[in-house]
Amino acid sequence: AQSVTQLGSHVSVSEGALVLLRCNYSSSVPPYLFWYVQYPNQGLQLLLKYTSAATLVKGINGFEAEFKKSETSFHLTKPSAHMSDAAEYFCAVTTHTGGFKTIFGAGTRLFVKA
Amino acid sequence: GAGVSQTPSNKVTEKGKYVELRCDPISGHTALYWYRQSLGQGPEFLIYFQGTGAADDSGLPNDRFFAVRPEGSVSTLKIQRTERGDSAVYLCASSLNPSGGRGDTQYFGPGTRLTVL
Repeated sequence: AQSVTQLGSHVSVSEGALVLLRCNYSSSVPPYLFWYVQYPNQGLQLLLKYTSAATLVKGINGFEAEFKKSETSFHLTKPSAHMSDAAEYFCAVTTHTGGFKTIFGAGTRLFVKA
Repeated sequence: GAGVSQTPSNKVTEKGKYVELRCDPISGHTALYWYRQSLGQGPEFLIYFQGTGAADDSGLPNDRFFAVRPEGSVSTLKIQRTERGDSAVYLCASSLNPSGGRGDTQYFGPGTRLTVL
């Protein structure tokens, strides 16, 4: 069975600083990996996804993530944080087999300080 | 175009009552998912529809929960004999891929906040 662990329920950065949100997954088969963002009072929105093509995935709003099989990680980064990046971020995994479940992590809330 | 819509946005009910939550997916999306999100947690998968049929209902917590999608578009999540532990935000998502590809992008609605008193 697959699972997702997001390290840090809260992350605080200064505006203009690097954003790093950590995600580790567990899966016995090749995974599909996703990052979603949830702004206050809005639905989840896909930031980016890894589907077994390039290991470095670029998404919307300047975010990117790198799939590292050896580390079972899919950390999300952005070189320079904006105030508008403050939101909840969720890492998620599905697999090529074993049903259609998408497993989400518990989420990381990003705070951006002026 | 219009996104995924869910009604009602908020539902307050009493323990033991029956509730229905509705999801209108993006037009043309054949795959539809229901999730439950409790406070401070990520979405928890409940059920997946491909067309009219439930292709994976392994996430439904018990037989009080049931979902239908009779015409392959709108879906209704039904909860019988509600319990206080059912209080959560219920999310619906849809995706385009007719084969239900697991890498397919899911588009989420704003959710229905269910409160069971």
